[in-house]
Amino acid sequence: NAGVTQTPKFQVLKTGQSMTLQCAQDMNHNSMYWYRQDPGMGLRLIYYSASEGTTDKGEVPNGYNVSRLNKREFSLRLESAAPSQTSVYFCASSDGQNFYNEQFFGPGTRLTVL
Amino acid sequence: QKEVEQDPGPLSVPEGAIVSLNCTYSNSAFQYFMWYRQYSRKGPELLMYTYSSGNKEDGRFTAQVDKSSKYISLFIRDSQPSDSATYLCAMRYAGNNRKLIWGLGTSLAVNP
Repeated sequence: NAGVTQTPKFQVLKTGQSMTLQCAQDMNHNSMYWYRQDPGMGLRLIYYSASEGTTDKGEVPNGYNVSRLNKREFSLRLESAAPSQTSVYFCASSDGQNFYNEQFFGPGTRLTVL
Repeated sequence: QKEVEQDPGPLSVPEGAIVSLNCTYSNSAFQYFMWYRQYSRKGPELLMYTYSSGNKEDGRFTAQVDKSSKYISLFIRDSQPSDSATYLCAMRYAGNNRKLIWGLGTSLAVNP
């Protein structure tokens, strides 16, 4: 099992450009999440999908859109990138079957917006 | 005030030391408590989880919850250089909301 995979691993964008971060999981999990991690700010939830066909805003959704393409895939789109979106982006998934809701994380995408 | 407070450190200790990592929280509705470990340039991984008050031990690691004080701790005994990582606490409410509320993480360096 590959677990949670993310592409790309690194990306440099110019202000105003758009891009989509891809995430896929092969653990048959129902729930998927997108986080950003910044120094001094910790992990912040951008969007999540509790199950296929549903998406909800997290703590910092502005400037982002998501698509739960199917049970395996959950993509994050930046329509018009801004320097404030420079961050490390993590995708995670969980099966929601246990009380501690273990989340499995991908390796992250390091995004720089110039 | 953040719901979960965690001192980001950094914390530097010699090999073999006992390490204490802590988080405080403000909302008494939190029921489930987790510790994740994140190595440099990797995603976090679940290390331990506890429900309600008390201690839970797993090898060199002990997780402790004091709900009356709204305080959780992770103790590492006989710390090793391989324990060098960032440790994040996470919490969630009871019920159907499965979102985790995260601390900032504490950076730990164990020096040989």
